Amino acid sequence: DAGVTQSPTHLIKTRGQQVTLRCSPKSGHDTVSWYQQALGQGPQFIFQYYEEEERQRGNFPDRFSGHQFPNYSSELNVNALLLGDSALYLCASSPGTGGSYEQYFGPGTRLTVT
Amino acid sequence: GQNIDQPTEMTATEGAIVQINCTYQTSGFNGLFWYQQHAGEAPTFLSYNVLDGLEEKGRFSSFLSRSKGYSYLLLKELQMKDSASYLCAVMDSNYQLIWGAGTKLIIKP
Repeated sequence: DAGVTQSPTHLIKTRGQQVTLRCSPKSGHDTVSWYQQALGQGPQFIFQYYEEEERQRGNFPDRFSGHQFPNYSSELNVNALLLGDSALYLCASSPGTGGSYEQYFGPGTRLTVT
Repeated sequence: GQNIDQPTEMTATEGAIVQINCTYQTSGFNGLFWYQQHAGEAPTFLSYNVLDGLEEKGRFSSFLSRSKGYSYLLLKELQMKDSASYLCAVMDSNYQLIWGAGTKLIIKP
């Protein structure tokens, strides 16, 4: 049973560029959440997708957008990258509707903006 | 505002017991989670408490007091592999996880 997968593992981008990160949820999970984790900090909630719609959103600017596909996989897009966007981006999946309860995390994508 | 507080760093000896505390103030409460995160890796689930009391799972136990906005994670018979960051997270009224900054636990031989 494949767990949550993310690609790419590492990414280096230049300020002002755009980036797309990808996530495939654990089998049987239909809800995907994205988090940003700066070094030495806890994850910060970006948004959550369910049934191909953004169900909740954290305190992140519109430069951060996402998408969920019919197979429940998801993308996180960040436009006009800033140096401060450098972080570990985590995708987590969970089953069912309503609460996210136990979330299964992918290995993350380490984004470095130079 | 919403706030989760936990110590930044703790040190303990192999074979000993350590308690990591977490206090929280959130908009609503739908449960408290503890996750373990090794450096450079994703968080892994340890425990979930929604009712007051102690939940035991092997060497790890987690306690919750909703009236005090307080939880702790208790790790027994510490092993070197337990060296990691331990993250406390609360699910608020919108079923959104609010995370603490994590407690880095250093285990010494």
